[in-house]
Amino acid sequence: QVQLVQSGAEVKKPGASVKVSCKASGYTFTSYDINWVRQATGQGLEWMGWMNPNSGNTGYAQKFQGRVTMTRNTSISTAYMELSSLRSEDTAVYYCARVKKDDFWSGYSFDYWGQGTLVTVSS
Amino acid sequence: DIQMTQSPSSVSASVGDRVTITCRASQGISSWLAWYQQKPGKAPKLLIYAASSLQSGVPSRFSGSGSGTDFTLTISSLQPEDFATYYCQQANSPPGITFGPGTKVDIK
Repeated sequence: QVQLVQSGAEVKKPGASVKVSCKASGYTFTSYDINWVRQATGQGLEWMGWMNPNSGNTGYAQKFQGRVTMTRNTSISTAYMELSSLRSEDTAVYYCARVKKDDFWSGYSFDYWGQGTLVTVSS
Repeated sequence: DIQMTQSPSSVSASVGDRVTITCRASQGISSWLAWYQQKPGKAPKLLIYAASSLQSGVPSRFSGSGSGTDFTLTISSLQPEDFATYYCQQANSPPGITFGPGTKVDIK
């Protein structure tokens, strides 16, 4: 069965960086784009960016350009999201999500999600 | 980026009720819209993709419709497990993937 398992909760100081991992299993890792979405407590969902695990190509939301880096290690089917220059407003649950893919284009939706990683930024 | 709005922001309903949630895009997105259900402390769950296609394993009481800028999610007969927050998402290719602000469905 398809699973995305994320790394554990993190506590970071303002100005630091955090790197969250997302280990995929149950499917061919390089065949599906991985996206990252975050959610502050009590707030809505915010898209951060995408990565093609086969090519390593990435694209980021303008809000995070220059602060976020998405990478992967195909040998262990794991995607990573690193966010730098952390501030208190970055306190949120971070999710990885797999893009749904059919035999035909059916839009860019997310059919499997990780369990979420809470990142707390506090001095 | 395309902005997504949802209405209502919350709705109180009873088991067995028909519930309709609307989502509007700031510009046309054809049928590239998805709907998700999220329960407290859990990741979102895909319900509907391409505006009206039911994701595998999702009960048939959920349905979606619309195209262009106006979309709806309907729960035909609300069940106890359906009390949750629902989000729409514009599902064109990135960049600029955006979600609606959410609609909370709670018990009347």
